[in-house]
Amino acid sequence: QKEVEQNSGPLSVPEGAIASLNCTYSDRGSQSFFWYRQYSGKSPELIMSIYSNGDKEDGRFTAQLNKASQYVSLLIRDSQPSDSATYLCAVDNNDMRFGAGTRLTVKP
Amino acid sequence: EPEVTQTPSHQVTQMGQEVILRCVPISNHLYFYWYRQILGQKVEFLVSFYNNEISEKSEIFDDQFSVERPDGSNFTLKIRSTKLEDSAMYFCASSEAGLSAQYFGPGTRLLVL
Repeated sequence: QKEVEQNSGPLSVPEGAIASLNCTYSDRGSQSFFWYRQYSGKSPELIMSIYSNGDKEDGRFTAQLNKASQYVSLLIRDSQPSDSATYLCAVDNNDMRFGAGTRLTVKP
Repeated sequence: EPEVTQTPSHQVTQMGQEVILRCVPISNHLYFYWYRQILGQKVEFLVSFYNNEISEKSEIFDDQFSVERPDGSNFTLKIRSTKLEDSAMYFCASSEAGLSAQYFGPGTRLLVL
């Protein structure tokens, strides 16, 4: 069974703070890792992709991957109220599996 | 910016009927996917499609489901003999290559009565 686990939250941070989102996965053969953002009633929107161990930065977002620990994380710096959404971790080994998502609330 | 489009946005059907959900992937993408999300639950992989054939399918994608690329732009999901539990949001996605970033359409909300 290929599992992707995330803390469901809710995670609440003040505006301007760093939000830290975590994800673990069970399939050691997984090759591609993604973070999506999903607003209520909408489709997943790609935030970050990461394919190799280490950090990858894109603007206010940093994704971290540790394949040995089967762990992926997403840091959001200078969080804004518009970042309030559910963040989905997705892991791909030719059949992309999603976690249940972490609901983030950024309070003004 | 290119987008994945889906029609219809909403579909209501009676149990036992057949439905066809339509998608237009991003034009230079070669890999196409269908996912579903039951209300309040996680996004679930159904099937991936490349080079006019299914490349992977999940345990959910049984004989009730089929996919087709009837022409150069459309990608369809057919659900035969719908059941109440098929009620969900169905998302189409596409990617340039396998294992690369997938871009999702806005979804079709299917309600089976």
